[in-house]
Amino acid sequence: GAVVSQHPSRVICKSGTSVKIECRSLDFQATTMFWYRQFPKKSLMLMATSNEGSKATYEQGVEKDKFLINHASLTLSTLTVTSAHPEDSSFYICSASGGGGPNQPQHFGDGTRLSIL
Amino acid sequence: QKEVEQNSGPLSVPEGAIASLNCTYSDRVSQSFFWYRQYSGKSPELIMSIYSNGDKEDGRFTAQLNKASQYVSLLIRDSQPSDSATYLCAQTGGGATNKLIFGTGTLLAVQP
Repeated sequence: GAVVSQHPSRVICKSGTSVKIECRSLDFQATTMFWYRQFPKKSLMLMATSNEGSKATYEQGVEKDKFLINHASLTLSTLTVTSAHPEDSSFYICSASGGGGPNQPQHFGDGTRLSIL
Repeated sequence: QKEVEQNSGPLSVPEGAIASLNCTYSDRVSQSFFWYRQYSGKSPELIMSIYSNGDKEDGRFTAQLNKASQYVSLLIRDSQPSDSATYLCAQTGGGATNKLIFGTGTLLAVQP
């Protein structure tokens, strides 16, 4: 149980392109989804927390107009990197939690490796 | 600033030995702790969760929590080369959400 699907797994595109990443909870309802980015040999950096039906909460220093998050249903959240540039190249990972308070673990998708040329 | 600290390693152990991974945290309010394993180029995978003082065992893995000392550890018995990965310690950030605060991870290398 607790399977989170994320796609695409890899994106290579030109600078200026907008890229959408989908995160789906397959066998549970995810009241909260989280978006992280990770640079090589670094730990995960939380970008934003997304609750179904409400605006995402962004971490300090993360541009909300650059990284658009939509959590339209209990099983789907999307992250759109708008007008991506080479410095946005990174490993983006989503996670989902079924609610029930702080004891509930987060379950991670397989990640999306984004390369901007 | 809530922090979770881990030794970055690498921690090198021979195959069959016990690997001991340690983590300290600063937020006394947090009640929930997690260990994730992350293979190179992959996303984290939940290994263990622990909420109460003491030990929790699951197969070859044992998590230990000491809230008085603000210390959580993960023991891996009979270590295998396939256990070689980065192990991330995480705690919830407090409050109603289960937003996680991650340590920087410890790289474990099990030598065959």
